[in-house]
Amino acid sequence: GDSVTQMEGPVTLSEEAFLTINCTYTATGYPSLFWYVQYPGEGLQLLLKATKADDKGSNKGFEATYRKETTSFHLEKGSVQVSDSAVYFCALSDPSGGGADGLTFGKGTHLIIQP
Amino acid sequence: DTGVSQDPRHKITKRGQNVTFRCDPISEHNRLYWYRQTLGQGPEFLTYFQNEAQLEKSRLLSDRFSAERPKGSFSTLEIQRTEQGDSAMYLCASSLDTGAPLEAFFGQGTRLTVV
Repeated sequence: GDSVTQMEGPVTLSEEAFLTINCTYTATGYPSLFWYVQYPGEGLQLLLKATKADDKGSNKGFEATYRKETTSFHLEKGSVQVSDSAVYFCALSDPSGGGADGLTFGKGTHLIIQP
Repeated sequence: DTGVSQDPRHKITKRGQNVTFRCDPISEHNRLYWYRQTLGQGPEFLTYFQNEAQLEKSRLLSDRFSAERPKGSFSTLEIQRTEQGDSAMYLCASSLDTGAPLEAFFGQGTRLTVV
């Protein structure tokens, strides 16, 4: 079945540091890929998405590129802020592969940014 | 607030009791999803509706779980004869189906504790 693996947390960085959160996936079909973010006390929000190979999703300074050859969708940001502290989830949707039409999530990575 | 709302936000119940949760999606969204999230894990897909039709159910949805969306608007998730293993955050999400992968908007969830 489909699965998503992302780096374990917590990840602790200083403000203005460069961020990478690794995400790799396995899928039967040709999935769409997503990053969701959960800020403290709030619901999951879509951060960015990519629907085909080599697509780059971007939002709020975050970027991720759909790499089919390495089955990866790593999240990056050049300069993090304290307000980026949250839990980040990598996810895929793969209805063409015969899977459920919902999202398959990774376990989440807790990001802590220190001033 | 026109986002996805869930009620109640918290529920504590004794083992063996039945519980019911409600989800009100964004009004024009025709797709509605239920997920379950346990501590340290990402959300796991349970089931989804296209309008009032329940189109997909995960293997995680045992016979004690039932979901309805009677008029294609709000949805309920009932758990009968609750067990301690049912303790989790239950998340609802909605989206608009236009044939392309779209953003799913999540509610803040109902946290169930079975004692």
